This record gives sequence, C-alpha cells and structure tokens, in this order.
Amino acid sequence: QKEVEQNSGPLSVPEGAIASLNCTYSDRVSQSFFWYRQYSGKSPELIMSIYSNGDKEDGRFTAQLNKASQYVSLLIRDSQPSDSATYLCAVTGGGNKLTFGTGTQLKVEL
Amino acid sequence: EAGVTQFPSHSVIEKGQTVTLRCDPISGHDNLYWYRRVMGKEIKFLLHFVKESKQDESGMPNNRFLAERTGGTYSTLKVQPAELEDSGVYFCASSLQTGVTEAFFGQGTRLTVV
Repeated sequence: QKEVEQNSGPLSVPEGAIASLNCTYSDRVSQSFFWYRQYSGKSPELIMSIYSNGDKEDGRFTAQLNKASQYVSLLIRDSQPSDSATYLCAVTGGGNKLTFGTGTQLKVEL
Repeated sequence: EAGVTQFPSHSVIEKGQTVTLRCDPISGHDNLYWYRRVMGKEIKFLLHFVKESKQDESGMPNNRFLAERTGGTYSTLKVQPAELEDSGVYFCASSLQTGVTEAFFGQGTRLTVV
C-alpha cells in the first residue's frame, strides 16, 4: 500500500464547474497536509496547507481534512482552463519530510 | 524576491560519469531539501539540511550520492558514478523554519543518464 494515494486521472471537468481532488494517506501520525499544483515542466507550487480537521478556504480553493478517515481533499470552485495541471497531495509526519502522492491530472474543458 | 533556483535545468550524461546539481534556496531559508522524481513514480525525499548540517538523509539511495551545503547557503548534489536508474527530475526546496512549515520548490533539474 502506498503511503499517499491519489487517483492519477485525468479528471475532466467543464469550465465553471467544481473540481474535487481526493487523497488518502496511511500513516495515522501524519500532521500536516499540503496541496501542490504542478504545470508540465514547472516546479510544484504550494497552493494550500491544512493542519486540523475541517475545511480551509482560500479564494476558489477549499481544502478538507478528516484525520479519522485519513482523507484530505481539494475543491476548486469555478474551474478555469488555467487550473489544468497536476495536483500533488503531500503529508508530513511531524518532521519536515514531505511524502507525496503520484498526483492527479486535472483538465478543465471549455 | 527570488525563488528557489536550480542549475542546470537539464543534464544528459553517460553512465559512469559524474554530475553535480546545484540549488540556491530562498534567501534566509535555513532548511533545504532535495527530492527526486523518477519516471512514473511519486516525488521522493532524499535529504534535509538545516543550515550546513544534514538533519535527515534517510532518502539517499546509496553512497554514489553526495550532498553538501557549505556555509549554509547553496547546496550541491553530486552523483558519482551515475547509473541509468538515476535518471529523473531532481527537485530542491527550501523552507524558513524547521517543524511544521511550508516548503517552496525549484523548477528541478532533469537528469538523463544514457
């Protein structure tokens, strides 16, 4: 079992719709959770961090964390073509080492 | 403010040769990390510096890999001798503080060993 699991996609959504990206993790001591966005050939860009159960909203992005279910998600409202990218879920277990999933490719279609 | 910068962006070398990758972290960031993504796999941790000291090198694959951070500023990652399986994208990241904090990544060095 992988430590951090994501559906590789591609996940296709129409422009203006809500994109829902999901991630599960296996280590119950995981404490910090991050979503990175990566365009092809570019660096991973941090877009959201979440540390406690519940929802955290930043603009069109909402991160949701459920530690009991070992589940973290990212919602993107009013999806735009510029949101098309690979979204990487990453977790830490109290230290600084990030453990990544393989990423979900999102395609926002006109 | 400049982000994390890495040199070179691409490198193609023959098996058995040596390659040195460089990372310049964000100014003032004491924490510097190296990660690697091989084709089809997830990004994996290699090691973590706090200033010039190696805090965690549990992800280094073998003794062909040597990372240094002299003076606690930029870092180098040397692969000697390179093998075919070393091909991938090597990312550097930096963060301001040790502990629960956010890391910022460079654009990566794509290494191809032929």
